[in-house]
Amino acid sequence: DAGVIQSPRHEVTEMGQEVTLRCKLISGHNSLFWYRQTMMRGLELLIYFNNNVPIDDSGMPEDRFSAKMPNASFSTLKIQPSEPRDSAVYFCASTKGSQGTEAFFGQGTRLTVV
Amino acid sequence: QQQVKQSPQSLIVQKGGISIINCAYENTAFDYFPWYQQFPGKGPALLIAIRPDVSEKKEGRFTISFNKSAKQFSLHIMDSQPGDSATYFCAAEAGTALIFGKGTTLSVSS
Repeated sequence: DAGVIQSPRHEVTEMGQEVTLRCKLISGHNSLFWYRQTMMRGLELLIYFNNNVPIDDSGMPEDRFSAKMPNASFSTLKIQPSEPRDSAVYFCASTKGSQGTEAFFGQGTRLTVV
Repeated sequence: QQQVKQSPQSLIVQKGGISIINCAYENTAFDYFPWYQQFPGKGPALLIAIRPDVSEKKEGRFTISFNKSAKQFSLHIMDSQPGDSATYFCAAEAGTALIFGKGTTLSVSS
Protein backbone atom coordinates (compact mmCIF):
# COMPACT_ATOMS: atom_id res chain seq x y z
CA ASP A 1 0.00 0.00 0.00
CA ALA A 2 1.34 3.45 -0.88
CA GLY A 3 0.24 5.00 2.39
CA VAL A 4 -1.41 8.39 2.81
CA ILE A 5 -0.32 10.66 -0.03
CA GLN A 6 -0.35 14.43 0.23
CA SER A 7 0.28 17.00 -2.44
CA PRO A 8 1.97 19.29 -2.94
CA ARG A 9 4.86 18.71 -0.52
CA HIS A 10 5.73 22.38 -0.53
CA GLU A 11 3.66 25.41 -1.44
CA VAL A 12 4.71 29.04 -1.46
CA THR A 13 1.99 31.53 -2.21
CA GLU A 14 1.28 35.20 -1.86
CA MET A 15 -1.08 36.58 0.71
CA GLY A 16 -4.62 36.69 -0.59
CA GLN A 17 -4.24 33.76 -2.97
CA GLU A 18 -6.27 30.58 -2.78
CA VAL A 19 -4.43 27.45 -1.67
CA THR A 20 -5.67 23.88 -2.06
CA LEU A 21 -4.02 20.98 -0.28
CA ARG A 22 -4.79 17.43 -1.32
CA CYS A 23 -4.83 14.09 0.45
CA LYS A 24 -5.34 10.53 -0.76
CA LEU A 25 -6.30 8.04 1.92
CA ILE A 26 -5.10 4.50 2.35
CA SER A 27 -7.48 2.12 0.59
CA GLY A 28 -10.03 0.73 3.01
CA HIS A 29 -9.66 3.50 5.56
CA ASN A 30 -12.85 5.32 6.44
CA SER A 31 -11.76 8.18 8.69
CA LEU A 32 -9.78 11.20 7.56
CA PHE A 33 -8.20 13.88 9.72
CA TRP A 34 -6.57 17.20 8.86
CA TYR A 35 -3.98 18.55 11.31
CA ARG A 36 -1.87 21.70 11.29
CA GLN A 37 1.59 21.73 12.87
CA THR A 38 3.42 24.81 14.11
CA MET A 39 6.19 25.29 16.64
CA MET A 40 3.96 27.34 18.89
CA ARG A 41 0.82 25.22 18.87
CA GLY A 42 2.05 21.73 18.00
CA LEU A 43 -0.35 19.44 16.16
CA GLU A 44 -3.83 20.95 16.02
CA LEU A 45 -6.84 19.03 14.78
CA LEU A 46 -8.65 21.08 12.14
CA ILE A 47 -11.41 18.74 10.99
CA TYR A 48 -12.19 15.08 10.63
CA PHE A 49 -14.46 12.99 8.45
CA ASN A 50 -15.96 9.58 8.97
CA ASN A 51 -17.31 7.76 5.90
CA ASN A 52 -16.99 10.99 3.90
CA VAL A 53 -19.12 12.97 6.38
CA PRO A 54 -17.59 15.87 8.34
CA ILE A 55 -17.95 14.99 12.01
CA ASP A 56 -16.17 17.82 13.81
CA ASP A 57 -14.88 21.02 12.22
CA SER A 58 -14.56 23.00 15.45
CA GLY A 59 -10.81 23.22 14.95
CA MET A 60 -11.07 25.06 11.64
CA PRO A 61 -9.61 28.49 12.43
CA GLU A 62 -12.09 30.61 10.51
CA ASP A 63 -14.29 30.77 7.47
CA ARG A 64 -11.29 31.11 5.20
CA PHE A 65 -10.69 27.40 5.73
CA SER A 66 -12.85 24.73 4.16
CA ALA A 67 -12.46 20.98 3.66
CA LYS A 68 -14.21 18.48 1.45
CA MET A 69 -14.23 14.76 0.98
CA PRO A 70 -15.89 14.12 -2.38
CA ASN A 71 -15.26 10.37 -2.25
CA ALA A 72 -13.95 7.68 0.05
CA SER A 73 -10.33 8.07 -0.98
CA PHE A 74 -9.72 11.78 -1.46
CA SER A 75 -9.94 15.02 0.50
CA THR A 76 -9.02 18.66 0.01
CA LEU A 77 -8.30 21.49 2.41
CA LYS A 78 -8.74 24.95 0.94
CA ILE A 79 -7.65 28.30 2.31
CA GLN A 80 -9.14 31.35 0.62
CA PRO A 81 -7.78 33.97 1.00
CA SER A 82 -4.50 32.85 2.51
CA GLU A 83 -2.65 34.91 5.13
CA PRO A 84 0.95 34.77 6.42
CA ARG A 85 -0.26 33.33 9.75
CA ASP A 86 -1.51 30.29 7.87
CA SER A 87 2.10 29.28 7.25
CA ALA A 88 2.53 25.82 8.78
CA VAL A 89 2.87 22.15 7.92
CA TYR A 90 -0.49 20.58 7.16
CA PHE A 91 -0.94 16.85 7.66
CA CYS A 92 -3.71 14.52 6.79
CA ALA A 93 -4.09 11.16 8.47
CA SER A 94 -6.41 8.22 7.99
CA THR A 95 -7.61 5.35 10.13
CA LYS A 96 -9.49 2.15 9.53
CA GLY A 97 -12.40 1.45 11.77
CA SER A 98 -13.48 3.23 14.89
CA GLN A 99 -11.72 4.42 18.00
CA GLY A 100 -8.36 3.31 19.22
CA THR A 101 -6.82 2.47 15.89
CA GLU A 102 -3.53 3.58 14.43
CA ALA A 103 -3.59 6.83 12.50
CA PHE A 104 -1.41 6.84 9.40
CA PHE A 105 -0.05 10.24 8.47
CA GLY A 106 1.01 11.61 5.14
CA GLN A 107 4.34 13.41 4.79
CA GLY A 108 2.68 16.78 5.07
CA THR A 109 2.47 19.94 2.99
CA ARG A 110 4.68 22.80 4.07
CA LEU A 111 2.77 25.98 3.32
CA THR A 112 4.47 29.35 3.25
CA VAL A 113 2.34 32.45 2.70
CA VAL A 114 4.37 35.56 1.93
CA GLN B 1 -8.54 22.33 22.44
CA GLN B 2 -5.31 21.83 24.42
CA GLN B 3 -6.53 18.97 26.58
CA VAL B 4 -3.22 17.11 26.70
CA LYS B 5 -0.24 18.80 28.33
CA GLN B 6 3.21 17.47 27.51
CA SER B 7 6.60 18.15 29.09
CA PRO B 8 9.43 18.85 28.68
CA GLN B 9 9.43 20.77 25.42
CA SER B 10 12.96 19.57 24.69
CA LEU B 11 15.26 16.94 26.13
CA ILE B 12 18.93 16.11 25.73
CA VAL B 13 20.09 12.67 26.83
CA GLN B 14 23.41 10.88 26.64
CA LYS B 15 23.63 7.72 24.59
CA GLY B 16 22.64 4.81 26.79
CA GLY B 17 20.62 6.97 29.16
CA ILE B 18 16.92 6.96 29.94
CA SER B 19 14.61 9.48 28.25
CA ILE B 20 11.39 10.32 30.07
CA ILE B 21 8.53 12.36 28.62
CA ASN B 22 5.42 13.16 30.60
CA CYS B 23 1.84 13.93 29.67
CA ALA B 24 -1.25 14.90 31.62
CA TYR B 25 -4.85 14.99 30.49
CA GLU B 26 -8.09 16.45 31.76
CA ASN B 27 -10.88 14.64 29.96
CA THR B 28 -11.74 11.45 31.84
CA ALA B 29 -13.53 10.17 28.73
CA PHE B 30 -10.19 9.55 27.03
CA ASP B 31 -9.66 5.82 26.68
CA TYR B 32 -6.77 5.41 24.26
CA PHE B 33 -3.31 6.90 24.78
CA PRO B 34 -0.77 6.52 21.96
CA TRP B 35 2.69 7.97 21.50
CA TYR B 36 3.82 9.09 18.06
CA GLN B 37 7.36 9.61 16.81
CA GLN B 38 8.20 12.15 14.13
CA PHE B 39 11.45 12.55 12.21
CA PRO B 40 12.25 15.78 10.33
CA GLY B 41 10.35 16.08 7.07
CA LYS B 42 8.10 13.13 7.89
CA GLY B 43 4.65 12.67 9.31
CA PRO B 44 4.18 11.30 12.83
CA ALA B 45 4.13 7.51 13.14
CA LEU B 46 2.68 5.36 15.90
CA LEU B 47 5.30 4.19 18.37
CA ILE B 48 3.37 2.54 21.19
CA ALA B 49 -0.10 2.85 22.73
CA ILE B 50 -1.92 1.95 25.94
CA ARG B 51 -5.47 1.71 27.21
CA PRO B 52 -6.41 2.73 30.77
CA ASP B 53 -7.10 -0.81 31.95
CA VAL B 54 -3.36 -1.47 32.31
CA SER B 55 -0.70 0.53 34.15
CA GLU B 56 2.26 -0.28 31.95
CA LYS B 57 3.06 -1.46 28.45
CA LYS B 58 6.50 -2.32 27.16
CA GLU B 59 7.70 -2.80 23.60
CA GLY B 60 11.43 -3.27 23.31
CA ARG B 61 13.18 -0.22 24.76
CA PHE B 62 9.95 1.79 24.91
CA THR B 63 7.60 1.70 27.92
CA ILE B 64 4.41 3.59 28.67
CA SER B 65 3.52 4.08 32.31
CA PHE B 66 -0.09 5.04 32.99
CA ASN B 67 -1.58 6.51 36.18
CA LYS B 68 -5.34 6.72 35.80
CA SER B 69 -6.03 8.37 39.16
CA ALA B 70 -3.50 11.11 38.47
CA LYS B 71 -4.55 11.39 34.82
CA GLN B 72 -0.95 11.14 33.74
CA PHE B 73 1.07 8.94 31.45
CA SER B 74 4.69 8.87 30.43
CA LEU B 75 7.04 7.44 27.85
CA HIS B 76 10.33 5.91 28.94
CA ILE B 77 13.04 5.17 26.40
CA MET B 78 15.67 2.87 27.85
CA ASP B 79 19.22 2.76 26.50
CA SER B 80 18.54 5.83 24.35
CA GLN B 81 20.31 5.82 20.98
CA PRO B 82 21.18 8.63 18.53
CA GLY B 83 18.62 7.12 16.16
CA ASP B 84 15.93 7.91 18.74
CA SER B 85 16.50 11.63 18.17
CA ALA B 86 13.10 12.85 17.01
CA THR B 87 10.01 14.68 18.16
CA TYR B 88 7.66 12.67 20.34
CA PHE B 89 3.97 13.40 20.74
CA CYS B 90 1.62 11.97 23.30
CA ALA B 91 -2.03 11.84 22.35
CA ALA B 92 -5.41 10.88 23.73
CA GLU B 93 -8.69 9.84 22.18
CA ALA B 94 -12.26 9.54 23.36
CA GLY B 95 -13.78 7.75 20.39
CA THR B 96 -13.42 10.66 18.03
CA ALA B 97 -10.11 12.13 16.91
CA LEU B 98 -6.65 12.09 18.45
CA ILE B 99 -5.78 15.15 20.52
CA PHE B 100 -2.02 15.67 20.65
CA GLY B 101 0.33 17.23 23.15
CA LYS B 102 2.66 19.93 21.83
CA GLY B 103 5.57 17.55 21.41
CA THR B 104 9.01 16.94 22.90
CA THR B 105 12.16 17.24 20.83
CA LEU B 106 14.60 14.57 21.96
CA SER B 107 18.29 14.74 21.14
CA VAL B 108 20.47 11.79 22.05
CA SER B 109 24.14 12.69 22.05
CA SER B 110 26.77 10.15 21.21
